[in-house]
Amino acid sequence: AQRVTQPEKLLSVFKGAPVELKCNYSYSGSPELFWYVQYSRQRLQLLLRHISRESIKGFTADLNKGETSFHLKKPFAQEEDSAMYYCALGRYSGAGSYQLTFGKGTKLSVIP
Amino acid sequence: DVKVTQSSRYLVKRTGEKVFLECVQDMDHENMFWYRQDPGLGLRLIYFSYDVKMKEKGDIPEGYSVSREKKERFSLILESASTNQTSMYLCASSLYGREGDYEQYFGPGTRLTVT
Repeated sequence: AQRVTQPEKLLSVFKGAPVELKCNYSYSGSPELFWYVQYSRQRLQLLLRHISRESIKGFTADLNKGETSFHLKKPFAQEEDSAMYYCALGRYSGAGSYQLTFGKGTKLSVIP
Repeated sequence: DVKVTQSSRYLVKRTGEKVFLECVQDMDHENMFWYRQDPGLGLRLIYFSYDVKMKEKGDIPEGYSVSREKKERFSLILESASTNQTSMYLCASSLYGREGDYEQYFGPGTRLTVT
């Protein structure tokens, strides 16, 4: 069975400090990983996906299959990064639909 | 721009009532999903639908049912609401296909309180 683990419920960092939000997964197939973000009073939205290898808002995430991890990193935290972050694992269901399994989320608080 | 709308932002219902949560998307997406979002538990999939009149159970379907009579609309039904169904409910939609990784677009959520 697939599982996504985000070990930190809350992460507080000072503005300008590096940020690392941890995500580990278990999945027997070839994993597709995502990070979704929810800012205060906004809807949940995609931040980045591993196959595109892009940097969004200064965040990057590298898929490490050996460690089954997909940690989200940013070198210098900004106050506007304060939000709830969810790691998600994508897979195809038996019906052919593409589903996401989400972690429990990490709330990032950037201290001014 | 994808738009997913949910019929209510806040809803208060009594135990035992039948509750309907409605979701509409305007991007002709085949897939639609219902999640509940609880602090400390993250997002959990209740049901999803990959086509009109087609549905599959997610991880926590007990106490819920769904209806998809039109492609753009996906309804979540609580047949007899209970207090443990007090939660934030999120609807999402995405394209269908076996190639690629299709982004899910979320609605603003419905905060349901069952008293």
